[in-house]
Amino acid sequence: RKEVEQDPGPFNVPEGATVAFNCTYSNSASQSFFWYRQDCRKEPKLLMSVYSSGNEDGRFTAQLNRASQYISLLIRDSKLSDSATYLCVVGDTGRRALTFGSGTRLQVQP
Amino acid sequence: DAGVTQSPTHLIKTRGQHVTLRCSPISGHKSVSWYQQVLGQGPQFIFQYYEKEERGRGNFPDRFSARQFPNYSSELNVNALLLGDSALYLCASTKGVGTGDSGNTIYFGEGSWLTVV
Repeated sequence: RKEVEQDPGPFNVPEGATVAFNCTYSNSASQSFFWYRQDCRKEPKLLMSVYSSGNEDGRFTAQLNRASQYISLLIRDSKLSDSATYLCVVGDTGRRALTFGSGTRLQVQP
Repeated sequence: DAGVTQSPTHLIKTRGQHVTLRCSPISGHKSVSWYQQVLGQGPQFIFQYYEKEERGRGNFPDRFSARQFPNYSSELNVNALLLGDSALYLCASTKGVGTGDSGNTIYFGEGSWLTVV
């Protein structure tokens, strides 16, 4: 079983749609949680950190459920520029490492 | 301000050869981590260095080694290259040791694309 699991997609949605990504993680001792965005053949870039209280940044909302070991990302009013791979990432303080999911590919269509 | 810089950006090596990849962290950052990203997968942790000492190691064979220099730049070395080592190698820079928690955001370089033939 992978430490961080995501649906690989692709998610093909029209502009303006709302899309949700989910991810589960296996290490209950994980301390930090993130969503990264990665464009084709580019480096990952931090989209947002994820907190138990939930957090929002413009059209993006992230949620963390520690009891279920589940992380979500909601994108509202999708733009063409949102097309990318979204990586669910968990911080392992013990190993001093980030553990990445395989990513979910989003394609927003005109 | 310069971001994380990596070199070379692309390289092709033959099986059995050795490769050295280089990384310069953001000014003021003392920690460098290395990740390997195979096509279609998320990045996988290889090493973290802080203040020239190894602070974390992922599940990679001994063919992989790294070091950090007094100016906090770092090298990743891979010996006896295999076809399966073909990947994007990412360097990440942080101020301190950690996993991106508050005040310790992780920044990635653009990566080095390694092809082994």
